[in-house]
Amino acid sequence: GENVEQHPSTLSVQEGDSAVIKCTYSDSASNYFPWYKQELGKRPQLIIDIRSNVGEKKDQRIAVTLNKTAKHFSLHITETQPEDSAVYFCAARMDTGRRALTFGSGTRLQVQP
Amino acid sequence: DTGVTQSPTHLIKTRGQQVTLRCSPISGHKSVSWYQQVLGQGPQFIFQYYEKEERGRGNFPDRFSARQFPNYSSELNVNALLLGDSALYLCASSFRTGQYNEQFFGPGTRLTVL
Repeated sequence: GENVEQHPSTLSVQEGDSAVIKCTYSDSASNYFPWYKQELGKRPQLIIDIRSNVGEKKDQRIAVTLNKTAKHFSLHITETQPEDSAVYFCAARMDTGRRALTFGSGTRLQVQP
Repeated sequence: DTGVTQSPTHLIKTRGQQVTLRCSPISGHKSVSWYQQVLGQGPQFIFQYYEKEERGRGNFPDRFSARQFPNYSSELNVNALLLGDSALYLCASSFRTGQYNEQFFGPGTRLTVL
């Protein structure tokens, strides 16, 4: 089955700096890659997603890039703010089969004011 | 418009007991998925239901079972609880099961097995 690896497990940046989180996936059949933000004690919430026919997608301070050949995708947050502090999860989903999300292990982002 | 709701919020059980967790999807959503999130890890897929039929099952033992009702709400049952079943159980709903259908998560049920 699909396996998603996520790095780093923790990331600390100064307010205003950029943060990058990277994920790799194993199954070339995966073609949908969402990113979720989970604040302490809260539910995961979708912040951005990308389909396999697109190489990059931006939404204000957040962007995601996808390299299908290398089977990796990354989340980029620019001009970080303290409210960006949370755990971020990448995920992958295939077009066939059960279409369940396979999640990475998460990255705890701490933005220091 | 309310989001996905789950009950109970917290639950404490002892080893060997059975538990039932409940989920109500967003109105109009016909698909419900269940995930187990162990502390410090990403959610792991348990089941997916669509129109009351099981559409997918993750790598969980037969002690885990689920069902979906005509109103699209769902229950997750876990029998013969083990200490390792302690986790946050998340329910997610989507309009359909298509690969691009966004999954909306509920707040979860925190299960502690003593």
